[in-house]
Amino acid sequence: SQTIHQWPATLVQPVGSPLSLECTVEGTSNPNLYWYRQAAGRGLQLLFYSVGIGQISSEVPQNLSASRPQDRQFILSSKKLLLSDSGFYLCAWSQGAQETQYFGPGTRLLVL
Amino acid sequence: SQQGEEDPQALSIQEGENATMNCSYKTSINNLQWYRQNSGRGLVHLILIRSNEREKHSGRLRVTLDTSKKSSSLLITASRAADTASYFCATGGTGGFKTIFGAGTRLFVKA
Repeated sequence: SQTIHQWPATLVQPVGSPLSLECTVEGTSNPNLYWYRQAAGRGLQLLFYSVGIGQISSEVPQNLSASRPQDRQFILSSKKLLLSDSGFYLCAWSQGAQETQYFGPGTRLLVL
Repeated sequence: SQQGEEDPQALSIQEGENATMNCSYKTSINNLQWYRQNSGRGLVHLILIRSNEREKHSGRLRVTLDTSKKSSSLLITASRAADTASYFCATGGTGGFKTIFGAGTRLFVKA
């Protein structure tokens, strides 16, 4: 069966520090991968999606970036965090475009 | 925009009652999905309904889709306290690749 892992679960970082969040998927190959951000009590904002290794589409201009170094690994990064980067970050995968998405447990990021 | 909008934003009911949540969208879609999110957790997929379908069931869940009105509803029958969560609709538009999520309905079921 397929599983998706995200870590860390919680992260507190100072403003200006770098960020690296990792997401890995097991049990499937060539998945579509997604990074979302969710503000408290709000909906999901799509940040990045990837249809294959090295292929990244950015949805929102910001100081975040994403990379997909391996088929089932998706990384969200920042060189310098802003206060506004605080939020709940969710990774998800799907087998095809617009198909069911399977979400990881999320990372709560607090930038102070 | 394509984004679905859920209504109501929040709903509080007694255990055993039915809960109905609605989703409206603006553009043509290939499919519409409903997801559930417990507080502080990832989303869990509930049902996917395609544009040529009108109704789908899964256990206590019933989803309807009216493409002429660009709307969908999620009915949870005989609700339980464990159904307390946020529910999101997500649309896959005909003109794009992505699935767009709405802002969600917060359901609170009182025991």
